Amino acid sequence: KAGVTQTPRYLIKTRGQQVTLSCSPISGHRSVSWYQQTPGQGLQFLFEYFSETQRNKGNFPGRFSGRQFSNSRSEMNVSTLELGDSALYLCASSLWDNYEQYFGPGTRLTVT
Amino acid sequence: LAKTTQPISMDSYEGQEVNITCSHNNIATNDYITWYQQFPSQGPRFIIQGYKTKVTNEVASLFIPADRKSSTLSLPRVSLSDTAVYYCLVGDLRDDKIIFGKGTRLHILP
Repeated sequence: KAGVTQTPRYLIKTRGQQVTLSCSPISGHRSVSWYQQTPGQGLQFLFEYFSETQRNKGNFPGRFSGRQFSNSRSEMNVSTLELGDSALYLCASSLWDNYEQYFGPGTRLTVT
Repeated sequence: LAKTTQPISMDSYEGQEVNITCSHNNIATNDYITWYQQFPSQGPRFIIQGYKTKVTNEVASLFIPADRKSSTLSLPRVSLSDTAVYYCLVGDLRDDKIIFGKGTRLHILP
């Protein structure tokens, strides 16, 4: 069974631009969560989608948004990029509302 | 808010058993304990999860004492490929109050 895939793997953007990251969950998984990981803050929860609905949201500004499609694929968008948005963005999927999440390899975003 | 405390780093040798202990003094009644492994530039990988006593799977064992204020991840016969950061987590990752700490950097030597 294929794992969680994320595209692109690496991305360089400049301040003020916007970016869209994509995540394809494991087949059959309906829950997709997004996380930001930085050396200083560690792993922080962004939001979770289940059946195309945002179910949980972390403490991030409105510049961070996401959506989920009917095939469970998810996208995350960050508008008006700031230098502090440079991070590894991880997507994780799980079958239902349980704790066992499977992470993708992440997208390394660098904002210059 | 369940805060966890782990050693910052550990060294061991190939073939040895490695035990990493995590303290979580204010764990809530309904909190599970989960351990993740992470390699550089990769997402965390689920290792094992437990609530109390002992849980074992094909890669590790998790020991949780009766008071649940700590837990120990046990990796049997480690190899060089087990060099990674190991995170102990209490509760649900999707809780925005969860702190996914700095973990334990395990370095396996030949």
